[in-house]
Amino acid sequence: DTEVTQTPKHLVMGMTNKKSLKCEQHMGHRAMYWYKQKAKKPPELMFVYSYEKLSINESVPSRFSPECPNSSLLNLHLHALQPEDSALYLCASSQDGFGVVTARRYQETQYFGPGTRLLVL
Amino acid sequence: AQTVTQSQPEMSVQEAETVTLSCTYDTSESDYYLFWYKQPPSRQMILVIRQEAYKQQNATENRFSVNFQKAAKSFSLKISDSQLGDAAMYFCAYRPRDDKIIFGKGTRLHILP
Repeated sequence: DTEVTQTPKHLVMGMTNKKSLKCEQHMGHRAMYWYKQKAKKPPELMFVYSYEKLSINESVPSRFSPECPNSSLLNLHLHALQPEDSALYLCASSQDGFGVVTARRYQETQYFGPGTRLLVL
Repeated sequence: AQTVTQSQPEMSVQEAETVTLSCTYDTSESDYYLFWYKQPPSRQMILVIRQEAYKQQNATENRFSVNFQKAAKSFSLKISDSQLGDAAMYFCAYRPRDDKIIFGKGTRLHILP
């Protein structure tokens, strides 16, 4: 089972709203990722969590706030967004921790969720 | 800088025919992974195939196979017996062993009935 779930599927919010995106995986993966994808473009990395700790923040504006409550869950809290933040937000996970060098070759494959289509008005 | 180049923004293929999507990458690393992801209009990124750089044998997954040329830094995807459900955006991706994944700009594949 390589399923990553995301809720909601669609979200419309005003610039003063506060909302959250949720991502869940039950594959025992230890790294989880948030990506932003504009139409006809590749995904852009926003955040990486490894073993529930923030490993990478790609200079994302503070109006995006990630949270990893446990190893299966990843949230993205949104506040005071701008219309240019409208995009598809993808969550992904991979088996081993990000940047962890172990004796065994670790699993690099990222499995993606279906995404949340966000529209900021 | 590590880059991934997909030189074909769009391609079309007749149903049941074979098509090859090209991808080249630039790296000084010797240990890395390469992926092809498919993103249909339904928008979910689906892993099609993966290749580990230390493996010389080309990966295959049913109708999908790759031609991995490490020296040339080339990683093309061949789709045999194309089906309507293969219509999607295809992203080539490169990932060093302990770093972020880098995506190409994508190739939009159209299947003609």
